This record gives sequence, structure tokens and C-alpha cells, in this order.
Amino acid sequence: KAGVTQTPRYLIKTRGQQVTLSCSPISGHRSVSWYQQTPGQGLQFLFEYFSETQRNKGNFPGRFSGRQFSNSRSEMNVSTLELGDSALYLCASSLPGLAQQETQYFGPGTRLLVL
Amino acid sequence: AQSVTQLDSHVSVSEGTPVLLRCNYSSSYSPSLFWYVQHPNKGLQLLLKYTSAATLVKGINGFEAEFKKSETSFHLTKPSAHMSDAAEYFCVVSDLNYGQNFVFGPGTRLSVLP
Repeated sequence: KAGVTQTPRYLIKTRGQQVTLSCSPISGHRSVSWYQQTPGQGLQFLFEYFSETQRNKGNFPGRFSGRQFSNSRSEMNVSTLELGDSALYLCASSLPGLAQQETQYFGPGTRLLVL
Repeated sequence: AQSVTQLDSHVSVSEGTPVLLRCNYSSSYSPSLFWYVQHPNKGLQLLLKYTSAATLVKGINGFEAEFKKSETSFHLTKPSAHMSDAAEYFCVVSDLNYGQNFVFGPGTRLSVLP
């Protein structure tokens, strides 16, 4: 089975721009979660989608949004980019069911640099 | 709220010696606990997970962890370190009572010396 894929792998943007990152989960996985990883804050949960609905959300401003499509693929969008948004953005997928019991499988991440 | 403490930000061991990476958590009665490893410029890989079955959990690459409820700990061990074990290790807690998201610890960087 193919793993979680994320595109693009690297991205450079300037302040004020917006960006869209894409994640394709493992086939059969219906839950997709997004995380931000920075040296200072570590790994922080952004949000989780299940069956095209946001099921849970972390403590990030409204500039960060996401969606999930009927084929379980997910996108996240960051509007009005700030320098502090520079980070590795990780996507993870898991099977349906109690997410707490399910292993999350991570993609390689998208490294975003905001200049 | 749930939280994870990884007591050491950096651990250095010699090749062939035991590895101990410490993790303490704060959660409700029945959390799920995971250890993930992240090699440089690579994604996170699951090492092992505890979900209320056996308290001693065996994972990949010779790693294991023991869930100790009384100590709220889930330390990761390996009898003999290999150079390829050098990486960042994350302890993760997920609790049914706190929603669906994983809470990551700050990570422990493991260095293996020849």
C-alpha cells in the first residue's frame, strides 16, 4: 500500500500571501490530521477531518483552515502568511473508528518557508 | 488536559549499550500511548503503541516500552543501541475523554556514539 503523500514537499512564500498544501491518505483511511512542527513549539495539532467534516481542532488562528474531499484527500490553507508560519507541516491518516486507538501514519511533510 | 513530558531533551549512548528514553504523561483513566521516531528529513514512523492490552509493549527494531499506570510513565528501552537508532523520538498520548487529537511530547534526540 502506498503511504501518505504530501505535495508540494517544499514551498517558499512571502508574507501576506496564502498557501495550500495537499495530503493524500493511505487507501481506506478516512481520518486525516494536520500538524505543524517548529523547533520552538514542537509538534502541534492543527485539525482533524473525518468523512469531510472537521472533527477536532487545535489552538490555531482562523488563518489556518482545511477541508476534506469525498475521496478522503485533504487540503490545508494558510492565508495572510506570517514569518512565524515557517514550519514543517505534517499530515497523518488513520482508519475509521476510535481515533485514539488508531495508529496515525505520517507523510513526509511540506516544508514551508515564509520570507 | 492531557500532556506529555519527556524528561531528557538529549540522550547520548555508545553503540551496543542500552537505551532508555523517559516519558511521563498526564491523562485520564485509559489513555493510548505511542512512541514515534523521526529520522532527519524523514517523516514520523510508529515504533510501538499501548492501547490497554499488555503493559509491556514490543515494537519494531528491538524497542519496547512499559506502561506503568501508578507512575504515569511509558519509558522506551532498547537493550543494545545501533548507529541507525540516532534520531528524534516522540512520546504521544491520546485520550478518549479529550477528543481525537494526539498530544506530542517535546521529543528526545538520541545520539549513538561509535
